[in-house]
Amino acid sequence: AQKVTQAQTEISVVEKEDVTLDCVYETRDTTYYLFWYKQPPSGELVFLIRRNSFDEQNEISGRYSWNFQKSTSSFNFTITASQVVDSAVYFCALHTGTASKLTFGTGTRLQVTL
Amino acid sequence: NAGVTQTPKFRILKIGQSMTLQCTQDMNHNYMYWYRQDPGMGLKLIYYSVGAGITDKGEVPNGYNVSRSTTEDFPLRLELAAPSQTSVYFCASSYPQTGTSVHEQYFGPGTRLTVT
Repeated sequence: AQKVTQAQTEISVVEKEDVTLDCVYETRDTTYYLFWYKQPPSGELVFLIRRNSFDEQNEISGRYSWNFQKSTSSFNFTITASQVVDSAVYFCALHTGTASKLTFGTGTRLQVTL
Repeated sequence: NAGVTQTPKFRILKIGQSMTLQCTQDMNHNYMYWYRQDPGMGLKLIYYSVGAGITDKGEVPNGYNVSRSTTEDFPLRLELAAPSQTSVYFCASSYPQTGTSVHEQYFGPGTRLTVT
């Protein structure tokens, strides 16, 4: 069975702190994709990154970076020098089977304050 | 491009009423999906479609129906609304999976439904 666990329900940081959001997944597939989405207070879901199981290189995009480790089945997301605009719920998701279906974690609510 | 649009944004239903949530995408995506998001939870897949005329059940299909007569539209029907269907509903679309290549899903703004 496919499963995504985001153990951190809520994280609060002060602006400019670095913060890491954890994501642990379970799958029996050898080929799979992992995703991160952001849900700001306005409610829509915004795609952040896609990573396939063959590519374990870390990725950096501005203040965002992702650490994919197959050995620990984790795909963690780090925000460097957090800003108030980063306040949102962040979801990790695992591609499952056919038709690009996704299994979502329960999300981590990030609150960044001044 | 408008992307994925959903109507209505908000709706209050009485128990036993029916309604259709509308979803339209203008990106010519073959794949479309309906999710529900309950408070403090992730999204759960209700139904999905890989093309016009083809639909299939997701994780939580009970109490819902869908149809896909065109590439652009994927309406979700609630026949006999129940309080357990109070949720935020998201429609999404994506390019088709090609071999082992999977594309991201694009989401609509959501419909907040309350059943009382």
